Amino acid sequence: DVVMTQTPPSLSVAIGQSVSISCKSSQSLVHSDGKTYLNWLLQNPGQSPKRLIYQVSNLGSGVPDRFSGTGSEKDFTLKISRVEAEDLGVYHCVQATHVPFTFGSGTKLEIK
Amino acid sequence: QVQLKESGPGLVQPSQTLSLTCTVSGFSLTSYHVSWVRQPPGKGLEWMGVIWTGGSTAYNSLLKSRLSISRDISKSQVFLKMNSLQTEDTATYYCARGAALFDYWGQGVMVTVSS
Repeated sequence: DVVMTQTPPSLSVAIGQSVSISCKSSQSLVHSDGKTYLNWLLQNPGQSPKRLIYQVSNLGSGVPDRFSGTGSEKDFTLKISRVEAEDLGVYHCVQATHVPFTFGSGTKLEIK
Repeated sequence: QVQLKESGPGLVQPSQTLSLTCTVSGFSLTSYHVSWVRQPPGKGLEWMGVIWTGGSTAYNSLLKSRLSISRDISKSQVFLKMNSLQTEDTATYYCARGAALFDYWGQGVMVTVSS
C-alpha cells in the first residue's frame, strides 16, 4: 500500500500568516491515465471533511483562492495564504491513484 | 443538490455485524463511484472501500476479509456490511462521492462497538 507521510502534525499560526503543509508518498502518484490523483481535504472541528484541492492543484468548487496545491510524482504541498479564522481544523492529504487509497495522518491547524 | 446521508445503528456488540446505508441524492450511482471512509475518535481518516459505477468493488486490504459493499441503484443506496466487529472498529463512518473525487461527503454516523 502507498504510505502518505504528512508534515507537520500540527501548526499554530496568526491570522494573516501563510503556512505550508507537506505530503510525501512512498511511490509515484502518476496514474496510468497520466493524471495525478492527490487531493487535499479540510475537516473543521466537529464536521465532515470537505475537499479543497483535487489532482494536485485544482481548486474545489467554492474554495477560496487563498488555498493552492503544488507538487508532482511523490512530493506535494498545500499552501494557505493569509490564514483566516475559518481555516482552523485538520488538513488531510489522500491519494487515489493506487488502490487501496490512503490518507496522510493529518495536520492540525490552530489559530494563535 | 448533491447529498449523501449515512444511517445505521449507533451501538454494535463485539463480534457482531455492522450494517450501514448511504442514501444519496442529486446524482446517480451509475455515474459516480461511492467510497466509505471511517475515522476512530481523535484519529485520522481510513479509506475502507469503493463501489464503482459498474458495480464492482475494491477494498482496503486490512479490512477485505470482513467487509462488503453493495448497492441498490433504484433506491440510490449504498450498503456497507462488516463482520466480526471489535472495539477498535469504533469510529465515525462516512460515505463520500467518488473514488478520486471525494467532492461530497455525508455527515457521518458514529458507531460504538461495546457490550
